[in-house]
Amino acid sequence: AQSVTQPDIHITVSEGASLELRCNYSYGATPYLFWYVQSPGQGLQLLLKYFSGDTLVQGIKGFEAEFKRSQSSFNLRKPSVHWSDAAEYFCAVRNDYKLSFGAGTTVTVRA
Amino acid sequence: DAGITQSPRHKVTETGTPVTLRCHQTENHRYMYWYRQDPGHGLRLIHYSYGVKDTDKGEVSDGYSVSRSKTEDFLLTLESATSSQTSVYFCAISEFPGGGSSYEQYFGPGTRLTVT
Repeated sequence: AQSVTQPDIHITVSEGASLELRCNYSYGATPYLFWYVQSPGQGLQLLLKYFSGDTLVQGIKGFEAEFKRSQSSFNLRKPSVHWSDAAEYFCAVRNDYKLSFGAGTTVTVRA
Repeated sequence: DAGITQSPRHKVTETGTPVTLRCHQTENHRYMYWYRQDPGHGLRLIHYSYGVKDTDKGEVSDGYSVSRSKTEDFLLTLESATSSQTSVYFCAISEFPGGGSSYEQYFGPGTRLTVT
């Protein structure tokens, strides 16, 4: 079964600075990869997904992610962080008709 | 937003009592899932359903059962609640893959369950 690892438990970033969240996936022929965001007290919202084609994927809220097969990575980026981006972020990979999630990265935004 | 509701949104119960959580969808999606979320563990799959009366276990199914008698409803039951089942429970739905669908799931708002 495929799995994902998010190496960073917590990241603090200044408002207006860039953000990069790391996600590494286990080997798989054609990984279907996802990033979700969870604001405090809320459910999970899909930011973006990758399953084929262009390796740079654009999502909602100004986020993008790049799939790098050589590094088994699917890192999430945002050029300029807003205070509202403070949340927990989850990377996920498809396993049959299920998803396996990483442990999550909590992002704190300081003024 | 996908039409997914969960009830109740908050519940406090005592050890040993049965508890049923409900997930209701208005999207007519075939797949439905129950997850629990605990700090440091992300989301872990409890059970899922791939159709009416068709269910299967996830990675943390012990102590939980599910039922799906209608497309729109997926029930999660804790037969005898324990303190280790204190958690936030999320329901999710997914279309049958194919035709452009890429297995993404859509989540409900969650149910916070406390077992005392």
